[in-house]
Amino acid sequence: QQQVKQSPQSLIVQKGGIPIINCAYENTAFDYFPWYQQFPGKGPALLIAIRPDVSEKKEGRFTISFNKSAKQFSLHIMDSQPGDSATYFCAASRCGNRDDKIIFGKGTRLHILP
Amino acid sequence: NAGVTQTPKFRVLKTGQSMTLLCAQDMNHEYMYWYRQDPGMGLRLIHYSVGEGTTAKGEVPDGYNVSRLKKQNFLLGLESAAPSQTSVYFCASSYVEAGGLYEQYFGPGTRLTVT
Repeated sequence: QQQVKQSPQSLIVQKGGIPIINCAYENTAFDYFPWYQQFPGKGPALLIAIRPDVSEKKEGRFTISFNKSAKQFSLHIMDSQPGDSATYFCAASRCGNRDDKIIFGKGTRLHILP
Repeated sequence: NAGVTQTPKFRVLKTGQSMTLLCAQDMNHEYMYWYRQDPGMGLRLIHYSVGEGTTAKGEVPDGYNVSRLKKQNFLLGLESAAPSQTSVYFCASSYVEAGGLYEQYFGPGTRLTVT
């Protein structure tokens, strides 16, 4: 019940295309859903996050879509660029619980072709 | 602010040797974490700490020990290294806002090879 399932494992998209990465969770107590971006040789960094009280959140070219009833959320990258090539992790957690931890998906390696 | 720093950046150990990885953060964060990252496995939590003097086990704690004697430092120890511990290790720290949201800040990683 603590898992976050992420797909696909890897993705290749032409420049300008819209890669979509999907995640599903089981624990209905989760109420915070961040996405982290990791470039080769670097640590992950927060990209965008959403709470379940909204169905969509946009920050620049990055959009999270959230479906509470299906327990799924996804990351869309508009007008993708070669510089977006990275590994993306979705995650889920319960906010405010002192002993709680973020549960990460296994990651998606994204490559944007020039 | 340096954020989260890790030392060393690279290390090669022989089976059975011991070592300590140091993580330091200058953001006054309460929470600190140690993860390992292996191909296809994502980020797996080893141990974590919700405050100075406290530690707790994560998903894959066996073979590792930790200590949080100072709020800004979180140490990860390998008492007897095994080849299965070859991995990239990331330290992270986080805070909790009034609304409950929290972001994890990651260090640059330590690449450990055990031969």
